[in-house]
Amino acid sequence: QVQLVQSGAEVQKPGASVKVSCKASGYTFISYYMHWVRQARGQGLEWMGIINPSGVSTSYSQKFQGRVTMTRDTSTSTVYMELSSLTSEDTAVYYCARGRGGSGSYTAFDYWGQGTLVTVSS
Amino acid sequence: IVLTQSPGTLSLSPGERVTVSCRASQSLSSNFLAWYQQKPGQAPRLLIYGASSRATDIPDRFRGSGSGTDFTLTISRLEPEDFAVYYCQQYGYSPRTFGQGTRVEIK
Repeated sequence: QVQLVQSGAEVQKPGASVKVSCKASGYTFISYYMHWVRQARGQGLEWMGIINPSGVSTSYSQKFQGRVTMTRDTSTSTVYMELSSLTSEDTAVYYCARGRGGSGSYTAFDYWGQGTLVTVSS
Repeated sequence: IVLTQSPGTLSLSPGERVTVSCRASQSLSSNFLAWYQQKPGQAPRLLIYGASSRATDIPDRFRGSGSGTDFTLTISRLEPEDFAVYYCQQYGYSPRTFGQGTRVEIK
């Protein structure tokens, strides 16, 4: 069965960086795009960007351009999302979510990780 | 693309019919519109993609419809496990965007 297992909760200081991992299993890792979505407490869902695990292509939301980096390790079927220059506004639950396949990168998100809470506090 | 959901909150009883609207600020290509359900403390779950196709293992009481800029999620008869927040999402343009959510609560 498809599973996306994310790394544990993080507490970071303002100005620092955080790197969240998402380990995939139960399917062919390089065959499906992976997205990152975040959700502040009590708020809606916000798309951050996408990575193609079969290559090195990424696409980021303009809002996070310059601050976010998405990478992958095919040997461990893991994708990573690193966010730098953190502020309190970045306190949120961060999710990885798999694109369901079909129309290239433009697909709905069929499997989600359990979420990683990132807290930014001095 | 901005997605506007209505209403913001629905207070209903089990067995009632639910209708949630999602309006896009411009026409969506190939009806690339999805609906997700999210319960407290859980990740979202895909219900509908392509505006009207049910995802794997989604009961047939969930129905998606619409095209262009106007889309609807209908739950024919509310079950106790359906009380949650529902989001629409467009995935045909970058950035992918979500509606602000509709909370379906027990009356």
